[in-house]
Amino acid sequence: EAQVTQNPRYLITVTGKKLTVTCSQNMNHEYMSWYRQDPGLGLRQIYYSMNVEVTDKGDVPEGYKVSRKEKRNFPLILESPSPNQTSLYFCASNTHYGTQETQYFGPGTRLLVL
Amino acid sequence: GNSVTQMEGPVTLSEEAFLTINCTYTATGYPSLFWYVQYPGEGLQLLLKATKADDKGSNKGFEATYRKETTSFHLEKGSVQVSDSAVYFCALKKADSWGKLQFGAGTQVVVTP
Repeated sequence: EAQVTQNPRYLITVTGKKLTVTCSQNMNHEYMSWYRQDPGLGLRQIYYSMNVEVTDKGDVPEGYKVSRKEKRNFPLILESPSPNQTSLYFCASNTHYGTQETQYFGPGTRLLVL
Repeated sequence: GNSVTQMEGPVTLSEEAFLTINCTYTATGYPSLFWYVQYPGEGLQLLLKATKADDKGSNKGFEATYRKETTSFHLEKGSVQVSDSAVYFCALKKADSWGKLQFGAGTQVVVTP
């Protein structure tokens, strides 16, 4: 089954404690991205990757890092989380530059930073 | 820059009522337009899409027509069910982009029996 998986699904942490949210897709997609969802703001892109070792900032990258060492995995790293990073996070993937290929979303990770 | 504006919710309807969710966009060129749905506790699923002017996307009884003259992509369903209760997101993707979606704020729809 084609899917995007994320772990963990729920996470409560404290300010300053480094954390990583994993994302993996089994569709051999080149393009992967991270979004955060906040009430009244919809989803906003944090970082994206066009292929292995190729990453770039989205609209709201401050406080986040990513890496793309393998095509299937795209972890999101919060080196020093702060309460304003409390949010619902989605990983997504798709293939084909310039086409209208559907994006596939993971189930989401709900993060609370105390 | 690109932007998507949706009507605010929540929208509360009775079962079998007609649903319209307005969506307008600002973009250069010819973006693709999408409606995604998020059921409670789940991720986003593509509901329908349209890739050029006057295209009509449809799925599960929902429809939306790409109107370039009014820069709109309104979502409609003739007879909603309780199972249609969800948050609906309008989104656009520029034709020359790799995959970035620009989302509206989302509209919560609540359908009561």
